[in-house]
Amino acid sequence: DAGITQSPRHKVTETGTPVTLRCHQTENHRYMYWYRQDPGHGLRLIHYSYGVKDTDKGEVSDGYSVSRSKTEDFLLTLESATSSQTSVYFCAISETGTPNEKLFFGSGTQLSVL
Amino acid sequence: AQSVTQLGSHVSVSEGALVLLRCNYSSSVPPYLFWYVQYPNQGLQLLLKYTSAATLVKGINGFEAEFKKSETSFHLTKPSAHMSDAAEYFCAVGNLYSGAGSYQLTFGKGTKLSVIP
Repeated sequence: DAGITQSPRHKVTETGTPVTLRCHQTENHRYMYWYRQDPGHGLRLIHYSYGVKDTDKGEVSDGYSVSRSKTEDFLLTLESATSSQTSVYFCAISETGTPNEKLFFGSGTQLSVL
Repeated sequence: AQSVTQLGSHVSVSEGALVLLRCNYSSSVPPYLFWYVQYPNQGLQLLLKYTSAATLVKGINGFEAEFKKSETSFHLTKPSAHMSDAAEYFCAVGNLYSGAGSYQLTFGKGTKLSVIP
């Protein structure tokens, strides 16, 4: 299994508070991704990174920001959490970002915004 | 952007029966197609991927998928279902994002497979 650790695994927070989720990898892969998973929607890409300090928006980036100051860490921040951001968040990594390359996924973070 | 559609959000089969999970794609160019599986409380794992080398792709745990260009389909099958196959299955297609010149996966909405003893 690829070395991907997401923290925390579970979090409950209140509307309007900032939240940061962390993804840590030990594979030295260049590409890192944040997805959210919601029933009936599958997985949707929030943001991704193609190198240290290099990030770009995905399909559902509104209300989220990311940072990558080191190869191994990719942070997802909800500046002011809303109930619509209650979801399961998955981090994924890939080595080269090429079309036929598989993604390795972390175990997910269950976030509840009350 | 390319997309995939999974037909049926829930599929139930009896143990030992054929498993058929449907996926159709939309693409104007040869697509990069994948099937991922998610077991309860876990992340996704790759089952198989289409690489254009062969239209019938074999994956892990006895699953296979056939790429049919004329039908724009990439259905997942397994001849005989096991209880351990109960999971959610996602079809995905690779999309090229212009911002960084990198490729991203777009997932279908998933099909939850139940296996009845």
